[in-house]
Amino acid sequence: DTGVSQDPRHKITKRGQNVTFRCDPISEHNRLYWYRQTLGQGPEFLTYFQNEAQLEKSRLLSDRFSAERPKGSFSTLEIQRTEQGDSAMYLCASSLALTSGGANEQFFGPGTRLTVL
Amino acid sequence: GDSVTQMEGPVTLSEEAFLTINCTYTATGYPSLFWYVQYPGEGLQLLLKATKADDKGSNKGFEATYRKETTSFHLEKGSVQVSDSAVYFCALSERSGGSNYKLTFGKGTLLTVNP
Repeated sequence: DTGVSQDPRHKITKRGQNVTFRCDPISEHNRLYWYRQTLGQGPEFLTYFQNEAQLEKSRLLSDRFSAERPKGSFSTLEIQRTEQGDSAMYLCASSLALTSGGANEQFFGPGTRLTVL
Repeated sequence: GDSVTQMEGPVTLSEEAFLTINCTYTATGYPSLFWYVQYPGEGLQLLLKATKADDKGSNKGFEATYRKETTSFHLEKGSVQVSDSAVYFCALSERSGGSNYKLTFGKGTLLTVNP
């Protein structure tokens, strides 16, 4: 399977614990995005990487959230001291920058569903 | 900031009925527009896109036309099938400084097609 993969698919944790999610993008894609989706809502942008550089973070991304893409390939999203309000589906997407610039299709992974008890 | 407003669901149709899901947007520049679909238990998939005014995106019998004058990108299909049952998301992408083409999504519309 050469699509975007995410691990784990489901995570249940207790409030106050730390969690880490992993995203493996399509191998040649240099752009990587994290989104969060809550029930009945569309995905909301969290953060963006071009290669290994984190170039933009949403105001939704509090200080408890950190994301990395150390070698420009896979990415991790860590949430420290989880709160019940962090319960959501966390989606990863990747795309290939066009040589002419502009938007290109983002391919989404299946998501990690986080439940904070 | 950018925003997308799409028709609230759920929408329930009989097989072979005509489908329209309305989508309007607010953007500061000239965004690209997308429809994504999420089938039960699966991830988001791109259904169609349009990158400039008057472009028509089409795929699997679905169509949407980029209307700049009405800031709309309504999704249509002439004859729906049971297999089209899914959640449909309208989205836009506009450069947010540098090379970030993040997507801004609507809330989604659940479509159920009955045989």
